[in-house]
Amino acid sequence: DGGITQSPKYLFRKEGQNVTLSCEQNLNHDAMYWYRQDPGQGLRLIYYSQIVNDFQKGDIAEGYSVSREKKESFPLTVTSAQKNPTAFYLCASSPLAGKVYNEQFFGPGTRLTVL
Amino acid sequence: DAKTTQPPSMDCAEGRAANLPCNHSTISGNEYVYWYRQIHSQGPQYIIHGLKNNETNEMASLIITEDRKSSTLILPHATLRDTAVYYCIVRVASGAGSYQLTFGKGTKLSVIP
Repeated sequence: DGGITQSPKYLFRKEGQNVTLSCEQNLNHDAMYWYRQDPGQGLRLIYYSQIVNDFQKGDIAEGYSVSREKKESFPLTVTSAQKNPTAFYLCASSPLAGKVYNEQFFGPGTRLTVL
Repeated sequence: DAKTTQPPSMDCAEGRAANLPCNHSTISGNEYVYWYRQIHSQGPQYIIHGLKNNETNEMASLIITEDRKSSTLILPHATLRDTAVYYCIVRVASGAGSYQLTFGKGTKLSVIP
């Protein structure tokens, strides 16, 4: 089946630890995105990537890092510098970077709780 | 991207049409109207988009006013599975800004049996 997978669904970490969230897609999409969602709020863009080995900061990139070594994968690292990391993290992808009509396809999300 | 305004919540009886409004009075000529929905604790799901003409697909219809300052998403026969938060988003057609979906708080639609 084609789609976007995120793992794990729930993640617990101690304060001060870095943690990496996985996002994989087999849709052959060029662009990938990471969003953060806090309770009762909309989504905020953290990073996005249009092509392998290239990525751009979104609105709230501080305390996060990403890599795009393969087209299918766009892992997100939440570093200890992120002051309030507990949130619901969503990965998305879209076909043909720059295409006018491209909608974004979302994964199921990872709920990160920092204790 | 233009700011959107949606009511925080709405109820709809099962089997009836759900009409979800969205105001986007500052929309510019090259911005599209997109609708997504998010069922609790899941990723958002694309529903429909349009520029100035009314659009229909298997999920919903999108009615955009002639001045493009507002739109309405119509779910013709709401079911319990349509209970979700619905987001109205306006987005530029191309360029760096076209990659970002700016989600507000949306409208929480509750479909009642």
